[in-house]
Amino acid sequence: ETGVTQTPRHLVMGMTNKKSLKCEQHLGHNAMYWYKQSAKKPLELMFVYNFKEQTENNSVPSRFSPECPNSSHLFLHLHTLQPEDSALYLCASSQDPGTADQPQHFGDGTRLSIL
Amino acid sequence: AQKITQTQPGMFVQEKEAVTLDCTYDTSDPSYGLFWYKQPSSGEMIFLIYQGSYDQQNATEGRYSLNFQKARKSANLVISASQLGDSAMYFCAMRERSSSASKIIFGSGTRLSIRP
Repeated sequence: ETGVTQTPRHLVMGMTNKKSLKCEQHLGHNAMYWYKQSAKKPLELMFVYNFKEQTENNSVPSRFSPECPNSSHLFLHLHTLQPEDSALYLCASSQDPGTADQPQHFGDGTRLSIL
Repeated sequence: AQKITQTQPGMFVQEKEAVTLDCTYDTSDPSYGLFWYKQPSSGEMIFLIYQGSYDQQNATEGRYSLNFQKARKSANLVISASQLGDSAMYFCAMRERSSSASKIIFGSGTRLSIRP
């Protein structure tokens, strides 16, 4: 149990569907993150939220839309995805995004497959 | 530019032996942090160990230790007395203190397989 819960664990969707990934952290952290992990590629940072405010968007296509209603919850809304978007999507949180010594704690990930 | 390099895509080790996973990094920031994560086949990323650039001693956490050689910019992970449950992907990561928004850069990972 890492303290970061992601749902669903697996998701299969068509290119025209709309779905959302959910992340919840029970660690009292202030920052939350979305990462994409594709096969044979390093982990890619997508979005960063600090105290509910988006502080980083790593040139992510608009078909991915994040939402952070509070410091404990983070969503990733998906719309009109492409087959190359199939990947493991990992959520993470950390206590203080401004210090270099704070590890990020990850959820179990959502494995997304686009048909 | 910030960069993390893990040169071993895969390793096979006999159970109970020690194993060293290599990691080199490149940064111009004098202040940074280095992390190692473990990712089993189930997908979750598990934080293992942290080393700060100004730490005088190598970090240790149970069977994990970090061989930090600052001048060579290397931060190798050492796992002592390996167990079957250690089979997983291992990622080295770095964050510079000057980075905005807690940006961590991950290496490409090393797949460790422990043989019984």
